Amino acid sequence: EAGVVQSPRYKIIEKKQPVAFWCNPISGHNTLYWYRQNLGQGPELLIRYENEEAVDDSQLPKDRFSAERLKGVDSTLKIQPAELGDSAVYLCASSLFGGQGTGELFFGEGSRLTVL
Amino acid sequence: AQSVAQPEDQVNVAEGNPLTVKCTYSVSGNPYLFWYVQYPNRGLQFLLKYITGDNLVKGSYGFEAEFNKSQTSFHLKKPSALVSDSALYFCAVRDTIQGNTPLVFGKGTRLSVIA
Repeated sequence: EAGVVQSPRYKIIEKKQPVAFWCNPISGHNTLYWYRQNLGQGPELLIRYENEEAVDDSQLPKDRFSAERLKGVDSTLKIQPAELGDSAVYLCASSLFGGQGTGELFFGEGSRLTVL
Repeated sequence: AQSVAQPEDQVNVAEGNPLTVKCTYSVSGNPYLFWYVQYPNRGLQFLLKYITGDNLVKGSYGFEAEFNKSQTSFHLKKPSALVSDSALYFCAVRDTIQGNTPLVFGKGTRLSVIA
């Protein structure tokens, strides 16, 4: 069974440029998460989807970040414009029955963003 | 709000010796607790979880963790460390006091097993 797939793995851009990350969760997983992991830190939740509905986006900086999961399967996270402080690894994860809270998350390998 | 603390940035242990990676948590209700491992340039991999029941939980690669409610701890342990266990370990907690609460991660502990 394929795991969570993310692309691109690495992205280097100049500040003020836009960037987008894509995630395809494990088949059948209705809950999808985007986390940001800064160097030397644990992952921090940006947004969580239950199917196509964003149920927790309180930590998403909405002035420059946006996300979508139109058909309740794959998802895109966009930053426009990027700032130096956005340099981080963006992790996508999925789980079964996220609303019940007992299931573990399955993570992709992450997209490492460097903003120059 | 729930939180988790990993008091050690780095743990060094000799191969073959037992290892412990510490984790304490704070929640309003009952906790769901998880341990994940991250190898360089990789995503996080699930090791084990505590939801309810037996306080000693066994997981992947010979790891186990003990839930201690009175000390609000969930330390990760392994009887005999391997060099290949060297990685970054994250403890995470979800509070069950309200419906859908987020999974909150600690800042991680780097485990280095020396041959």
